[in-house]
Amino acid sequence: DQQVKQNSPSLSVQEGRISILNCDYTNSMFDYFLWYKKYPAEGPTFLISISSIKDKNEDGRFTVFLNKSAKHLSLHIVPSQPGDSAVYFCAASAIQGAQKLVFGQGTRLTINP
Amino acid sequence: EPEVTQTPSHQVTQMGQEVILRCVPISNHLYFYWYRQILGQKVEFLVSFYNNEISEKSEIFDDQFSVERPDGSNFTLKIRSTKLEDSAMYFCASSETQLNTEAFFGQGTRLTVV
Repeated sequence: DQQVKQNSPSLSVQEGRISILNCDYTNSMFDYFLWYKKYPAEGPTFLISISSIKDKNEDGRFTVFLNKSAKHLSLHIVPSQPGDSAVYFCAASAIQGAQKLVFGQGTRLTINP
Repeated sequence: EPEVTQTPSHQVTQMGQEVILRCVPISNHLYFYWYRQILGQKVEFLVSFYNNEISEKSEIFDDQFSVERPDGSNFTLKIRSTKLEDSAMYFCASSETQLNTEAFFGQGTRLTVV
């Protein structure tokens, strides 16, 4: 089941620079998208979300962009901080899906001092 | 800040034994979920629960699995006869509403079947 794909298993970014994490999806019924951050031995922590009626949502250092025609979303973190080092999961849900989240496989982000 | 809590944090069980994983969702939330993550794989949806009944379940959630809300605060996942392949992190989550809202996850229970 590859409905949500994060093609980069890892990403390394210098502190203070921009981190861009990408996510692609195939199911056109998805209409709500979320990014979660996960530290080892913890559960996923919600970061930011976007509805399909928008193409951008911003919350502090985090911005999510949605390109529906390309079925692509991205998470921008700027400036990147060492505490941002974690695994980032993209997730999607459809109105028809009782809020069932379909997750990507995650991207491990490492912020280097 | 309200949070979802799960117990135990780690459970080791013998193959064929029954296990019950426990969760206390956020108090004003109405929708409850179980997800699991097998080591090195994606987080996978198992089941959603609303108004004391299952609203959706995945193919993984077969007859050996069951969920229950035995009282006003706890939400449990029971695995009747564990198999080696049930070894995974199990995450409970809850959300306030069903649509366009984030689910809040607990810290997980690591289940090891030996």
